[in-house]
Amino acid sequence: SQELEQSPQSLIVQEGKNLTINCTSSKTLYGLYWYKQKYGEGLIFLMMLQKGGEEKSHEKITAKLDEKKQQSSLHITASQPSHAGIYLCGADEGGSGSRLTFGEGTQLTVNP
Amino acid sequence: DVKVTQSSRYLVKRTGEKVFLECVQDMDHENMFWYRQDPGLGLRLIYFSYDVKMKEKGDIPEGYSVSREKKERFSLILESASTNQTSMYLCASTLPNGIGELFFGEGSRLTVL
Repeated sequence: SQELEQSPQSLIVQEGKNLTINCTSSKTLYGLYWYKQKYGEGLIFLMMLQKGGEEKSHEKITAKLDEKKQQSSLHITASQPSHAGIYLCGADEGGSGSRLTFGEGTQLTVNP
Repeated sequence: DVKVTQSSRYLVKRTGEKVFLECVQDMDHENMFWYRQDPGLGLRLIYFSYDVKMKEKGDIPEGYSVSREKKERFSLILESASTNQTSMYLCASTLPNGIGELFFGEGSRLTVL
């Protein structure tokens, strides 16, 4: 099955700083999904990327999928304490758009 | 507002007990999934279902079974709970061949003593 590797595993930043989280796949990505999770809660959908070179933004969060469709990055500009949580990338295994494999997650802490 | 509801947020059970984790979605989704989440291992797929009375094994089905008698309800069953099944369990649903966005429940944290 598809394997997703996220880096870093954890990240501590000062409020206002920019940061980047990476997600690398062992196989070509048919679709790449970013989710955020508050500790002990369910996952909240952030963005989905499908095309090589695609980039999407929502508020201060930007996600990109590289041309080869094997790596994605999530960038947060001017981080805030509300950005804290676990960020997970998920990959569509077969192009059906239904079954996702997830990375281990990146724990983000934003210090005020 | 779309919703995936898991019946229990926190459960404590004893080894050998039978455990039912219930999940209900109100979005008329065909596809439903059960994941478990553990530190250092991320989310791992246990079972999924693309239709009523249909089920498919995920990556770690051992020790679990599922039931999908109605479209909106997908139950995860631990026939004889063991301590290594202590975990956070997450239910999710999505449309078939859709955009792939999984809608997740709040999670059920199970502790097996």
